[in-house]
Amino acid sequence: QQQVKQSPQSLIVQKGGISIINCAYENTAFDYFPWYQQFPGKGPALLIAIRPDVSEKKEGRFTISFNKSAKQFSLHIMDSQPGDSATYFCAAKYSGAGSYQLTFGKGTKLSVIP
Amino acid sequence: NAGVTQTPKFQVLKTGQSMTLQCAQDMNHNSMYWYRQDPGMGLRLIYYSASEGTTDKGEVPNGYNVSRLNKREFSLRLESAAPSQTSVYFCASRYSGTGIFQETQYFGPGTRLLVL
Repeated sequence: QQQVKQSPQSLIVQKGGISIINCAYENTAFDYFPWYQQFPGKGPALLIAIRPDVSEKKEGRFTISFNKSAKQFSLHIMDSQPGDSATYFCAAKYSGAGSYQLTFGKGTKLSVIP
Repeated sequence: NAGVTQTPKFQVLKTGQSMTLQCAQDMNHNSMYWYRQDPGMGLRLIYYSASEGTTDKGEVPNGYNVSRLNKREFSLRLESAAPSQTSVYFCASRYSGTGIFQETQYFGPGTRLLVL
């Protein structure tokens, strides 16, 4: 059972446009929602993260929007650049002490064309 | 700091052969993880070690074993490789601290494994 559903699977955006990737979850016990960025041939790296007590987190051109009631969160990349071309994974973690696992979405391959 | 290192980078095995993937981290992290990444499947957790001396199964543990050798090292062993284990394997370690980044997992560069 897929606990974090990510869409779209792939995305093509023109340079300067806005890239939007969406994730949905079922389990209300999740309390931490990171996004990871992976360039070809490299390991994933944390891009930005949010906790459910806030509705938005912004870092530079990257913004997470969080809708607790809808159990959805999304990544917005403003002014998308060719250097943003990568695979993006959303993830979620259960709350509580002793919880060590992240559950990942299946990923979105973003291509930003000049 | 080297961060998370993995060896080897590439490996080709024949069906039935065994091998061990090595992972080490120099960030003094308690928790370590092994994932596999397959096209369209995202990152799936194979095994993890919450702390030195403990290991637990993840989502896809069948066909694998792990050893947490010490705080720095966490190895993944394929006893009898199968073509279905062709994948890219990532090791990660987890920062345990305070604040929004207390859950950050740091990934290694990956091992690309082909089983013929």
